[in-house]
Amino acid sequence: ILNVEQSPQSLHVQEGDSTNFTCSFPSSNFYALHWYRWETAKSPEALFVMTLNGDEKKKGRISATLNTKEGYSYLYIKGSQPEDSATYLCAFNAGNMLTFGGGTRLMVKP
Amino acid sequence: DAMVIQNPRYQVTQFGKPVTLSCSQTLNHNVMYWYQQKSSQAPKLLFHYYDKDFNNEADTPDNFQSRRPNTSFCFLDIRSPGLGDAAMYLCATSRDPVTYNEQFFGPGTRLTVL
Repeated sequence: ILNVEQSPQSLHVQEGDSTNFTCSFPSSNFYALHWYRWETAKSPEALFVMTLNGDEKKKGRISATLNTKEGYSYLYIKGSQPEDSATYLCAFNAGNMLTFGGGTRLMVKP
Repeated sequence: DAMVIQNPRYQVTQFGKPVTLSCSQTLNHNVMYWYQQKSSQAPKLLFHYYDKDFNNEADTPDNFQSRRPNTSFCFLDIRSPGLGDAAMYLCATSRDPVTYNEQFFGPGTRLTVL
């Protein structure tokens, strides 16, 4: 059984705050790490697919880093906006199926 | 836009009454997945189809079945829903599971069991 954990489970921030959260995963048999954003009543949307140790990816105000040797990825949001409120899921790929973490639920207050 | 559609979005059923959830895709992907997500937990893979080949996860209860009549459609059948089956059910697709396996999701069906 693969163990993928996300922390914190939930997070409340004020508009304009920058924030980050963590996904930890097994450091062996790494193939890829996925980040998804899941807004209420919508489909989970792919943010990043990260494959190489040291990868850094950016999309607008959201960025992610990857450390496969120690088994963690950080997701950063700079200057949070209310529209960033969502659950952020990470998923570990050991070569076939995805194993998801429990998600970090972010709420941004105006 | 190419997409994954799930119907219905909300489903209420009675304890023991069979229920079917539907998923369709316009992406023409080879693989379709069904996940179960209970409150604040990680989505858990129930099974997937690679083309017509059905792959069941070892710990998926026998109460859960699936059908894929063609490339576009996949159904989740719950033969005798129990209270513990109340959850969000997510359908996803991917081109194939062997590469990075980027998956595309539907919005989910929230199942309530009374």
